[in-house]
Amino acid sequence: SFVVTQPPSVSVALGKTATIACEGNNIGTKSVHWYRQKPGQAPELVIWHDNRRPSGIPERFSGSNSGNTATLTIGRVEAGDEADYCCQVWDTTNDQPVFGGGSKLTV
Amino acid sequence: EVQLVQSGVEVKKPGGSLKISCKGSGYSFSSYWIAWVRQMPGKGLEWMGIIYPGDSDTRYSPSLQGQVTISVDKSISTAYLQWSSLKASDTAMYFCARSAAGYRDAYDMWGQGTMVAVSS
Repeated sequence: SFVVTQPPSVSVALGKTATIACEGNNIGTKSVHWYRQKPGQAPELVIWHDNRRPSGIPERFSGSNSGNTATLTIGRVEAGDEADYCCQVWDTTNDQPVFGGGSKLTV
Repeated sequence: EVQLVQSGVEVKKPGGSLKISCKGSGYSFSSYWIAWVRQMPGKGLEWMGIIYPGDSDTRYSPSLQGQVTISVDKSISTAYLQWSSLKASDTAMYFCARSAAGYRDAYDMWGQGTMVAVSS
């Protein structure tokens, strides 16, 4: 099955730029989605199809995907951005989605 | 308002049965796949399966097939996740989520989650 790996934690200073990686074999050939999950809440889609922002998600959130790494970038980080961020791709071998383990963003 | 609303907290004993629900509103419920996603305490998201309300086409994660049943009643815009014999290891938060466009797309809307606790 397709495996995606994320760093367990990412730290960033207030107002700076955070980057969260999602690594997988040739992940650049797949479509990657990113979710934000705050404590006690449901996940929320923040980036889909590598770099598209759903309605209501600020322009500070962006995504890229190439080679073996997909990246979620959050610019001008705010305290309210603290959350777990999880990537998702489609495992074509097993015909099901696969989620990364999540990265806890600390501001 | 477009939303998915799930049933409330459940506390059950091992061996018991359970059916939790996910009701959609504000959109054409029959036209979007609904997935179930498990999150065990302190862990990440795990896909369990998915159903298309329009025709009840259902797919399961191979690792969970046979352990749960996913169903739908499109007449009341509600999807279900069911267990016939719960285990302590079923203790988790369960989310339903709508697939944005088609079976393999991102999940653009999520229910608030149903906490299931299984303990003797």
